[in-house]
Amino acid sequence: EAGVAQSPRYKIIEKRQSVAFWCNPISGHATLYWYQQILGQGPKLLIQFQNNGVVDDSQLPKDRFSAERLKGVDSTLKIQPAKLEDSAVYLCASSLEGGAGQPQHFGDGTRLSIL
Amino acid sequence: GQNIDQPTEMTATEGAIVQINCTYQTSGFNGLFWYQQHAGEAPTFLSYNVLDGLEEKGRFSSFLSRSKGYSYLLLKELQMKDSASYLCAVRPSNYQLIWGAGTKLIIKP
Repeated sequence: EAGVAQSPRYKIIEKRQSVAFWCNPISGHATLYWYQQILGQGPKLLIQFQNNGVVDDSQLPKDRFSAERLKGVDSTLKIQPAKLEDSAVYLCASSLEGGAGQPQHFGDGTRLSIL
Repeated sequence: GQNIDQPTEMTATEGAIVQINCTYQTSGFNGLFWYQQHAGEAPTFLSYNVLDGLEEKGRFSSFLSRSKGYSYLLLKELQMKDSASYLCAVRPSNYQLIWGAGTKLIIKP
């Protein structure tokens, strides 16, 4: 089965610019997650979707970050405007459902550098 | 608050055995995951424990004690390719997942 697809793999922008990341989850996976991972730290959940509804966005900096999952499949994460502290790897993951025992499957991530 | 603790870094020798510990304090418990993450790559699923005891999968085993808020990942017959970070993650509820910072494992020949 095809894995989680993310693009781009790398992105370099200047602070105050905007950027968007795209994610296509594994086919049939209802739950989609966006994480931010700073070097040397564990992933930090930004937003979780169940189909096209938001389950948890409590750690999403809503003044600059937005995400959508139209039609309950692909998702985009946007940052506008970017700050230096947004330099990180942005990981997308999906699972069959949000149930307890279901593992999350991750894409390769987008490495974002803010100059 | 909710907290997961893991050692930051460990070193072991090729062919040996290493145990990576994880302790947690969470508002609830619906299972614990271990993931492996090679440098520059995405995390990959290793194991899931929800009941007390040891789960064995080839060279990797994972143990859970819910009463102690404690888990460990045991890696046997270490290979150089096992050099990676190992992430412990706990489900306090059915949809939440709390991640530890990860343990960087360095394997020496």
